[in-house]
Amino acid sequence: GIQVEQSPPDLILQEGANSTLRCNFSDSVNNLQWFHQNPWGQLINLFYIPSGTKQNGRLSATTVATERYSLLYISSSQTTDSGVYFCAGGSNYQLIWGAGTKLIIKP
Amino acid sequence: KAGVTQTPRYLIKTRGQQVTLSCSPISGHRSVSWYQQTPGQGLQFLFEYFSETQRNKGNFPGRFSGRQFSNSRSEMNVSTLELGDSALYLCASSPIAKNIQYFGAGTRLSVL
Repeated sequence: GIQVEQSPPDLILQEGANSTLRCNFSDSVNNLQWFHQNPWGQLINLFYIPSGTKQNGRLSATTVATERYSLLYISSSQTTDSGVYFCAGGSNYQLIWGAGTKLIIKP
Repeated sequence: KAGVTQTPRYLIKTRGQQVTLSCSPISGHRSVSWYQQTPGQGLQFLFEYFSETQRNKGNFPGRFSGRQFSNSRSEMNVSTLELGDSALYLCASSPIAKNIQYFGAGTRLSVL
């Protein structure tokens, strides 16, 4: 089955810094999503991005489907960006989840 | 639109008991997926329902079961609880056209 690997596993940054999170997948997917889980456990869908580039405020994502990877960019980090970022890829029936990147933004 | 609603939010049970968790999807969403999240294990897929039919199932023992009703609300049941079943159980609903998942706040189950 499809395997999803995320890097780095942990990231500690100062407020205002930029960061890039990576997601590699072992096979072609027609569905790729990025999520943020806050410290209270709530998962929020950030992007549905099986290919191409999207931007939403300080966050943007790029998926290069032919090379089987996706990147999530966070600019001008704020303490509220802390939490775990997951990518998930697969089909319309099932998503396979990466282990996540734990991001800590220090004030 | 109201979001995905999971009840209860917290639950404490003892080994051997059974538990039923509920998930009400976003209005108009007909697909509901269930996940188990334990510390250090990420999200593990349990099963997915669409129009009352289970379309996909993860690698969990038969003690874990689910169902979906005609109004798209879904329940999952865990029988003969074990200590290792302690986890955050998350439900996500998706619209028909695309599997874009919207999550509820989860049910935190503790098995003592």
